[in-house]
Amino acid sequence: DAEITQSPRHKITETGRQVTLACHQTWNHNNMFWYRQDLGHGLRLIHYSYGVQDTNKGEVSDGYSVSRSNTEDLPLTLESAASSQTSVYFCASSVGQSGTGELFFGEGSRLTVL
Amino acid sequence: KNEVEQSPQNLTAQEGEFITINCSYSVGISALHWLQQHPGGGIVSLFMLSSGKKKHGRLIATINIQEKHSSLHITASHPRDSAVYICAVGGYQKVTFGTGTKLQVIP
Repeated sequence: DAEITQSPRHKITETGRQVTLACHQTWNHNNMFWYRQDLGHGLRLIHYSYGVQDTNKGEVSDGYSVSRSNTEDLPLTLESAASSQTSVYFCASSVGQSGTGELFFGEGSRLTVL
Repeated sequence: KNEVEQSPQNLTAQEGEFITINCSYSVGISALHWLQQHPGGGIVSLFMLSSGKKKHGRLIATINIQEKHSSLHITASHPRDSAVYICAVGGYQKVTFGTGTKLQVIP
């Protein structure tokens, strides 16, 4: 069965360190998204990609970067982790761009920045 | 005011009860999504709809485009339905998520 997987599922790091969260999907979807989920907020878009070599900033992109070298993977990098980036991160993919296709989510990655 | 508002924020029901969760939005949309998130778990898509009504098992989703309102109904609720239900609206180049409705179904 096609799926979308995230790793690591849990990570604790220190302020200032670089962290990369992996996202791998076997749906062959062109569109991939990274969201963060915090109490009191809905899911907020960090970065998104509509295909290989395409990346775009979302509403909360400061301090994050992504790259898309193939269809399956969209790794999210925190260049210098900050305590404000403690959150649960979800990767998603879809057939349609933005909100026009069914969304498939990974299991989430819980990141704690000390 | 948030672009997507859900009500109630928290809901406790007895097993077997009929449950309704509401979603109002203030932006133009291409599609509306209902998602389910179990505690500590991932997020699963329940419905995507742009008009009318969809049904899957005990779950029913409706949308009224003119009133910018959608409802998610659960018939014959069960403790395994306990989860956070999230409404999301898809528009031009973005999806906006509500903050979710936490449902607890008590046996």
